[in-house]
Amino acid sequence: ETGVTQSPTHLIKTRGQQVTLRCSSQSGHNTVSWYQQALGQGPQFIFQYYREEENGRGNFPPRFSGLQFPNYSSELNVNALELDDSALYLCASSLRQGTYEQYFGPGTRLTVT
Amino acid sequence: AQSVTQLGSHVSVSEGALVLLRCNYSSSVPPYLFWYVQYPNQGLQLLLKYTSAATLVKGINGFEAEFKKSETSFHLTKPSAHMSDAAEYFCAVSQGGSNYKLTFGKGTLLTVNP
Repeated sequence: ETGVTQSPTHLIKTRGQQVTLRCSSQSGHNTVSWYQQALGQGPQFIFQYYREEENGRGNFPPRFSGLQFPNYSSELNVNALELDDSALYLCASSLRQGTYEQYFGPGTRLTVT
Repeated sequence: AQSVTQLGSHVSVSEGALVLLRCNYSSSVPPYLFWYVQYPNQGLQLLLKYTSAATLVKGINGFEAEFKKSETSFHLTKPSAHMSDAAEYFCAVSQGGSNYKLTFGKGTLLTVNP
């Protein structure tokens, strides 16, 4: 059984650019959530996707968007990058039903200069 | 709305000593509660979870936590700290139902001294 994987591991972008982060869910999981973890903080919920549709969103602006594909892999897109977007972005997969346990990937470290 | 408060951003213990990491939650419905551990430059690993079954929950690596509804607490303990326990620990709450998001506390950094 493969776990949650994310790519790339690290990324450096310039303010104003756009970025796409990728996540491959754990086998059999149909729900994916994205979290932003700023330095020294706990993860904050960005949004969740279930069966390719957004199923809940945190307090993040529309320039944060996502996609979930039929194979349950996912993308997080961020437009017009700002310096405050520098963070560790975590992807977590889970089953829609059950005990709501989420399995996290290793994260993508995004630095915006 | 749901929230989590972790008391103490940094806890330092000696190897072999008791580990106690505190977590208090706020939830408008019966919560699901989780403890995750994060090692440097890694993602989050689930230590244990409370999902309305037994109030004393046992997890991996000798950790356990007790759900106390009257105190709205879910403190994490381990009888004897090991050097490998040094990491950041996060408490999280989920209300389940149609809202599956996890709300995390700010984390507690555990240092284990030899």
